[in-house]
Amino acid sequence: QKEVEQDPGPLSVPEGAIVSLNCTYSNSAFQYFMWYRQYSRKGPELLMYTYSSGNKEDGRFTAQVDKSSKYISLFIRDSQPSDSATYLCAMSNFGNEKLTFGTGTRLTIIP
Amino acid sequence: DAGVIQSPRHEVTEMGQEVTLRCKPISGHDYLFWYRQTMMRGLELLIYFNNNVPIDDSGMPEDRFSAKMPNASFSTLKIQPSEPRDSAVYFCASGTRTDTQYFGPGTRLTVL
Repeated sequence: QKEVEQDPGPLSVPEGAIVSLNCTYSNSAFQYFMWYRQYSRKGPELLMYTYSSGNKEDGRFTAQVDKSSKYISLFIRDSQPSDSATYLCAMSNFGNEKLTFGTGTRLTIIP
Repeated sequence: DAGVIQSPRHEVTEMGQEVTLRCKPISGHDYLFWYRQTMMRGLELLIYFNNNVPIDDSGMPEDRFSAKMPNASFSTLKIQPSEPRDSAVYFCASGTRTDTQYFGPGTRLTVL
């Protein structure tokens, strides 16, 4: 079993819909949680960063962490065609400097 | 800042040849990471450096792979000899912290 599991999709939703992307993990030592966005033929870019449990909001994006369930989510409100990309979750331990990435979910927003 | 610079952007080579990938990190970043991305395995960390010193190379697949960072502004990833299963996109990333990484555009490697 992988340390981080992520549904690869693909996921297609109409423009304006709310999108929910999720990851589960098995390592209870993970403390830092990130979402990266990767456009086609580009490198990943950091989108959201959260520490421990709770919610964090940035514009149309909300990151949610539930450590008791070992489950993290990224919500995108009022989705736009420009949100079409692959979204990768990533996480790390306190004191362990490596990031462990999910395999990514490919998202397409249909105009 | 120009961001992380990688070269070449595309590389096509024949099995058995030596391949060298290059990376220039963002100035002032202490950490440098090399990743490999494939459809099957996703994004895999190969090795990372802190202040030019290799910290963790446990992701390097085998002895055919080697990485160096001779100074703060340059790193190489070398594959010798290359094999078709090495075909992938190789990313270099840098950062002042390990949990905030800035990725380069990647090198798309095809080994025939």
